[in-house]
Amino acid sequence: GAVVSQHPSWVICKSGTSVKIECRSLDFQATTMFWYRQFPKQSLMLMATSNEGSKATYEQGVEKDKFLINHASLTLSTLTVTSAHPEDSSFYICSASGATGFREQYFGPGTRLTVT
Amino acid sequence: KNEVEQSPQNLTAQEGEFITINCSYSVGISALHWLQQHPGGGIVSLFMLSSGKKKHGRLIATINIQEKHSSLHITASHPRDSAVYICAVIKAAGNKLTFGGGTRVLVKP
Repeated sequence: GAVVSQHPSWVICKSGTSVKIECRSLDFQATTMFWYRQFPKQSLMLMATSNEGSKATYEQGVEKDKFLINHASLTLSTLTVTSAHPEDSSFYICSASGATGFREQYFGPGTRLTVT
Repeated sequence: KNEVEQSPQNLTAQEGEFITINCSYSVGISALHWLQQHPGGGIVSLFMLSSGKKKHGRLIATINIQEKHSSLHITASHPRDSAVYICAVIKAAGNKLTFGGGTRVLVKP
C-alpha cells in the first residue's frame, strides 16, 4: 500500500517551454503533497507544500509564478515549470501524506528534467 | 550548524559486514524518517520512528529521544544495499521534513 507515482519519469524540453509533472497517490487519499528539488549530489530541497483544494505554500526563494502547483484532488498534484531554463534542470520528487497524518510521507520515484 | 547531521558521509563495506549510520539532530521532533535513495534517484521510506526501535528484514532503526540521536543498522550487508541513506526529521511544531546530508554506502562483493 501507500504507493505514489510520478509522470513522466524523465523529460527533455527546450528553453522557454513549459513542462508539467504529475504526482499521484495510487491507493490512498493524499491530503498533503510536498514537492522537492534535488541537484546532483545534494540533499532534497522542499519547494512547496500543497493541501487539496487550497493554494500551495512556497518555501522562501521559490518563485510561485515559475513553479505552478495545483492540488485539485485527493489523488493528484501537478507541478508546472513555466518558461523553463537550463538552470531548472534538476530531479523533482513529490511526496504525499494522508489520513494517517503528516508524519507518514510516501515518496514518488522522481522526474528528471533536462532543459536544453 | 545543520539541524540534522549524519555520519559518516561515505562508507565502504565488504559484503556481509555490519553497517551503522548515525543521525543527530538539534531540534524537538515529532518523528524521524530513514530514507533510501538508489542511484536511479527514487526514494524509499525505510522507517518512521518516534521512539524505540524498529526492524524490517536486515534493517534495524533505533532512536533515543533524550539524546536526540538515531542509528540505522544494516546486518549482513549486500551489494544491493549500496545507496544513499538519508535521515530526515519532522520538527515538533511543523509538518515538513528537514533532511540530513545523506550517507553514501557502497557494499563491495
